[in-house]
Amino acid sequence: EVQLVESGGGLVQPGGSLRLSCAASGFTFSTYAMTWVRQAPGKGLEWVSGFSRGGTSTYYADSVKGRFTISRDNSKNTLFLQMNSLRADDTAIYYCLKGGWGSTFDIWGQGTMVTVSS
Amino acid sequence: QAVVTQEPSLTVSPGGTVTLTCGSSTGAVTSGHYPYWLQQKPGQAPRTLIYDTSNRHSWTPARFSGSLLGGKAALTLSGAQPEDEAEYYCLVSYSGIWVFGGGTKLTVL
Repeated sequence: EVQLVESGGGLVQPGGSLRLSCAASGFTFSTYAMTWVRQAPGKGLEWVSGFSRGGTSTYYADSVKGRFTISRDNSKNTLFLQMNSLRADDTAIYYCLKGGWGSTFDIWGQGTMVTVSS
Repeated sequence: QAVVTQEPSLTVSPGGTVTLTCGSSTGAVTSGHYPYWLQQKPGQAPRTLIYDTSNRHSWTPARFSGSLLGGKAALTLSGAQPEDEAEYYCLVSYSGIWVFGGGTKLTVL
């Protein structure tokens, strides 16, 4: 069974940092594009960042470029999102998603909540 | 980045048919934008229904179909069921950058 489990969310002060993880299982992780999507409370979905299939290219939304970094450890089947200089408008549920540029989006994780507040 | 537009809300009668659309500020939505449709119910993670314009995932009921219509991506629900009441999002690609539409709240009433 394909499964994605996010972790690392929590409460952080404005200007702080947080690293999210997404543990993948049930598929050959290294060969797939992977993506982060977020959803602010009561709002719509926002694409945040992604890896292309094979992990050769990375992409970022303008809203997080220069502050967030996506990475992956194929030996541990894990996707990461390093978030720096966090702002109140980064408060959201962050979802890990299998798929992206070169791979079909199909499986979503259950999400991890990030709250940026003093 | 581009703006993707959807109807904010639509209502369909049980058993009826409704079409949701997805437009792009950059021009016509084409197959080259690999449009997706996703469904999200309250308190749940989204799930992908349609990929690459018109392809269903194995879990997608056959009453959902995707197409291109008048320069937009379209999701048609034929024979609406009460459980189809949800928020529907389209997602389109701009060469590796993906943009969601604002979502359509579909009421089955």
